[in-house]
Amino acid sequence: AQSVTQPDIHITVSEGASLELRCNYSYGATPYLFWYVQSPGQGLQLLLKYFSGDTLVQGIKGFEAEFKRSQSSFNLRKPSVHWSDAAEYFCAGAFNMDTGRRALTFGSGTRLQVQP
Amino acid sequence: GAVVSQHPSWVICKSGTSVKIECRSLDFQATTMFWYRQFPKQSLMLMATSNEGSKATYEQGVEKDKFLINHASLTLSTLTVTSAHPEDSSFYICSARDRTSGNGGELFFGEGSRLTVL
Repeated sequence: AQSVTQPDIHITVSEGASLELRCNYSYGATPYLFWYVQSPGQGLQLLLKYFSGDTLVQGIKGFEAEFKRSQSSFNLRKPSVHWSDAAEYFCAGAFNMDTGRRALTFGSGTRLQVQP
Repeated sequence: GAVVSQHPSWVICKSGTSVKIECRSLDFQATTMFWYRQFPKQSLMLMATSNEGSKATYEQGVEKDKFLINHASLTLSTLTVTSAHPEDSSFYICSARDRTSGNGGELFFGEGSRLTVL
């Protein structure tokens, strides 16, 4: 079955430090992949997405993600974290594109805490 | 960017009553909308796919008689939690894709509706 896994439930980094959030997927082909951010009590905001082509994707707020087919991964990175980046981050995949079922499957989320 | 609006954003109701949550695409038309449920500190779980003009498709384990979905127009889908109980308390989020954007189009999410059943 298709799935998205975020191995890290909670990550704490210092402000200004670099960040990498991990995401792995399980699927027989390449899914569409997304990273979303959710602030407490809020909806989701899309950071970036990967469909095909260049495996390094640039997003908003200085985030980027790299798709690695060999590792079935789509890790999110940011070179220098700001205190305002503290939030919950969700990796998601869209599978079964050929059947027209286009809902997203979400990972369990990673809570990012930023220390001053 | 496109906007999806949910209303109400926050609702408290008594056990046994029914609550309706609206999801509107404000500046685009959506043939399909999706309803997710999120428990505290957990991920989003797809409940159902709402199809304009036809019956919703429910995920396994989701009671269709409990969570009534109506997608009466290309810009509005409603989720009605019938005979709500405290275990139905959750954060409900809808999402929609512009019908002209195809499979690769971005999914836009509403702000979410927090339901608390007393």
